[in-house]
Order: sequence, then C-alpha cells, then structure tokens
Amino acid sequence: DADVTQTPRNRITKTGKRIMLECSQTKGHDRMYWYRQDPGLGLRLIYYSFDVKDINKGEISDGYSVSRQAQAKFSLSLESAIPNQTALYFCATSGQDRALDNEQFFGPGTRLTVL
Amino acid sequence: QKEVEQNSGPLSVPEGAIASLNCTYSDRGSQSFFWYRQYSGKSPELIMSIYSNGDKEDGRFTAQLNKASQYVSLLIRDSQPSDSATYLCAVNRRDTGRRALTFGSGTRLQVQP
Repeated sequence: DADVTQTPRNRITKTGKRIMLECSQTKGHDRMYWYRQDPGLGLRLIYYSFDVKDINKGEISDGYSVSRQAQAKFSLSLESAIPNQTALYFCATSGQDRALDNEQFFGPGTRLTVL
Repeated sequence: QKEVEQNSGPLSVPEGAIASLNCTYSDRGSQSFFWYRQYSGKSPELIMSIYSNGDKEDGRFTAQLNKASQYVSLLIRDSQPSDSATYLCAVNRRDTGRRALTFGSGTRLQVQP
C-alpha cells in the first residue's frame, strides 16, 4: 500500500465550485505539505502543517484553505474554484528526525481542471 | 533573483555517459539540499540529500555541495534511458524558519540510447 495517498486523482470542476482534495499518510510523520505544480514553474508551497494545531501559509495560499483533521490527514479546499487554479496538486510528508530534516515524500498527485 | 535556479534543459546525453545537473541558490543560510527525480505526470521522488560541503555518493548518483559558491550539483554515472526525467533541486526555506523547502523549476534530462 502507498504511504501517502491522495483523493481524488483527477477532478474536473466548474468555476465557482467548492473543491476538497484529501491526503492521508501511513508513514507516521507529523509534518504535511500541500504544493501545486504548473508547467515551467516547479513546485510552489500552498500550506504546511507541523502538527494538528500548527498550520501555516505558504507562498501562494490565497484562494485556498486547509484542515488538519488528524496527524495522518491533511485536506486542501478551494472555496470557489477559478480556472487559474488548474494544476497538479501534491501532498507531501516529512518526519522529525533532525538528521533527515525536510526529507519529504510525495503522494501521487491530483490533477485538477477548473473550467 | 530566484531562490533556487536550474537550467531548464533539456540536457541530452548518450547512454553510458555522465550527466551533470547543476543548481544555484540565493540564501547563504540554507542548510539542507535535496535532489528529486520526477517522471512526466508522476510525483517527485527523493533520490539524494546532502547537508555538508563535499561529495555524497549513492550508487550511480553523486551529490556535490559547495556552500561558499552556493551551488549543488548531481552527477549521474553510466546514464540509462530510464534516467530520462526532470530533476528538481530543493533547499530549505528561510521564510518558513527552515521548516519547508523551496524547489527549482527543474532540469529535463534526456538519455539517448
């Protein structure tokens, strides 16, 4: 079984709809991240969380919100989707071992299309 | 200036050759450096991490770090067609208290059979 799972894997929606992307992990990691990837722009950080009570904005958080329901679950919501949020979305996790600080492991991704 | 810069490529090398991928970063305080491989349409996969100046070898991969010159590189020896992918460089971010990573936009590597 995959250590980091994302649902759905593909989603097509319309402008103005509310969308939730879910991430679950069985790695036992405390730290979880949401990124989006656009062609030629690399990975950009949306939100990150170091535990269920610690949630932080990344560089492109506008238009997004998150919920850390449990150590193993981190959801990303688009309150009112717009076409320029069409992208590939990745969830990632990392552990707290200082020697391996920031080594992140990625889920399979969600391809979101907003029409 | 971008925080992490990579040549987008494509870098084309023949099978069996050494592929050299380079990355420069702007934050002198960066402490952790990573190379990820990403096949088209797939998620990034961690292949190397390096934290100290010098070389770190793992199989056919060698990561090289030079903090004084602010660059990190990845060498792939005996390149194989299966190495054809985009390689992402990442460093820990100062604006998150070193708690998250900044990624470069990646270098596309093509290994010709």
